Amino acid sequence: GAGVSQSPSNKVTEKGKDVELRCDPISGHTALYWYRQRLGQGLEFLIYFQGNSAPDKSGLPSDRFSAERTGESVSTLTIQRTQQEDSAVYLCASSLELQGYNEQFFGPGTRLTVL
Amino acid sequence: AQSVTQLDSQVPVFEEAPVELRCNYSSSVSVYLFWYVQYPNQGLQLLLKYLSGSTLVKGINGFEAEFNKSQTSFHLRKPSVHISDTAEYFCAVSERSGGSYIPTFGRGTSLIVHP
Repeated sequence: GAGVSQSPSNKVTEKGKDVELRCDPISGHTALYWYRQRLGQGLEFLIYFQGNSAPDKSGLPSDRFSAERTGESVSTLTIQRTQQEDSAVYLCASSLELQGYNEQFFGPGTRLTVL
Repeated sequence: AQSVTQLDSQVPVFEEAPVELRCNYSSSVSVYLFWYVQYPNQGLQLLLKYLSGSTLVKGINGFEAEFNKSQTSFHLRKPSVHISDTAEYFCAVSERSGGSYIPTFGRGTSLIVHP
């Protein structure tokens, strides 16, 4: 079956502009996660969604970052007034449910470059 | 909260040589442990995971890892590497209960296999 997909694969924007990144999780996966991966760094947790529960936004670095998820399907990560330090690869992952033993399935990522 | 340390940022090795990628973690509760691999321009995919039982875990592509509770380690090994194993490897830990089910990832180890 289809894996996790993300769009766009690459995004170049100017400082101060808003961007929207999209993630399509694997069908039936109730948990969805967003991570940021800076060059040479590990994965930085941003936010997760689990079913219809309130999302855990504890990892969002500032109020310029927000995310939404429609039911148990598509999620969008929005970055407002982008800054150069927002340049990174943004990875989305999904899993069957939010349990520590579950494997995460990752999308290919969106490479964001802020000029 | 848990944390993961991957001591080696880069490991160069010749083809057909053995390799060990080190991972140490800290947590106040029992954990699940994972190794993921990220090939160039792709998302992460699961190599192997330790949930319970035998401390020696075998994964895909000939990799294995051993859980050592006393040393809080989960080192990844392969007896003979191929050029195609060149990739970024991430160790991750999540907590069994009473803590966060969100995996914490290490900073990654870049395995570079030379012919």
